[in-house]
Amino acid sequence: NAGVTQTPKFRILKIGQSMTLQCTQDMNHNYMYWYRQDPGMGLKLIYYSVGAGITDKGEVPNGYNVSRSTTEDFPLRLELAAPSQTSVYFCASSYTGQGRGVYGYTFGSGTRLTVV
Amino acid sequence: KQEVTQIPAALSVPEGENLVLNCSFTDSAIYNLQWFRQDPGKGLTSLLLIQSSQREQTSGRLNASLDKSSGRSTLYIAASQPGDSATYLCAVKGNSGNTPLVFGKGTRLSVIA
Repeated sequence: NAGVTQTPKFRILKIGQSMTLQCTQDMNHNYMYWYRQDPGMGLKLIYYSVGAGITDKGEVPNGYNVSRSTTEDFPLRLELAAPSQTSVYFCASSYTGQGRGVYGYTFGSGTRLTVV
Repeated sequence: KQEVTQIPAALSVPEGENLVLNCSFTDSAIYNLQWFRQDPGKGLTSLLLIQSSQREQTSGRLNASLDKSSGRSTLYIAASQPGDSATYLCAVKGNSGNTPLVFGKGTRLSVIA
């Protein structure tokens, strides 16, 4: 099992450039998430998805877009990169069964993005 | 709005010592609480998950407790080892609908040989 796979691992962008961070999971999890982690600030939720075709904003969605066309993939798009988006980005997935039960989260290894 | 606080922010202990990491949350209406470990430059690894109806969970040398009414959880690490050095994150899931996890900022643990 690969779990949650994120690509690329590192990227340097110039201000105003665009890019897509890829995230794929092979555990048939229905929920997927994008978090960003800034030094000393913990993880903040950008967007999440409860299933294919459904996405919702998290705490810090501005400057980002997502789509969920399949259960496996949940790409994160940065349209006009800004220095404030320099961070480490983590994708995660979880399975929610009947009711509201969440049976633990699995995280990818992260993408370290620098905007200069 | 749920807020999660972890104290201390950093901790350094000699090898072999037992230690406790603390986590507090402002809204006691949680569904579950999870402890994660993060190694430098790596992703998060789930250590223990406690459902709101549970008081504690154990895995090897780790024991996590939950007091939902007081909004507190502790992670107890017995006989610490240098390999335990990492950042430990606490996260809670709210009771309502699709509420995702809310994370604390973590405790950075160093175990000195």
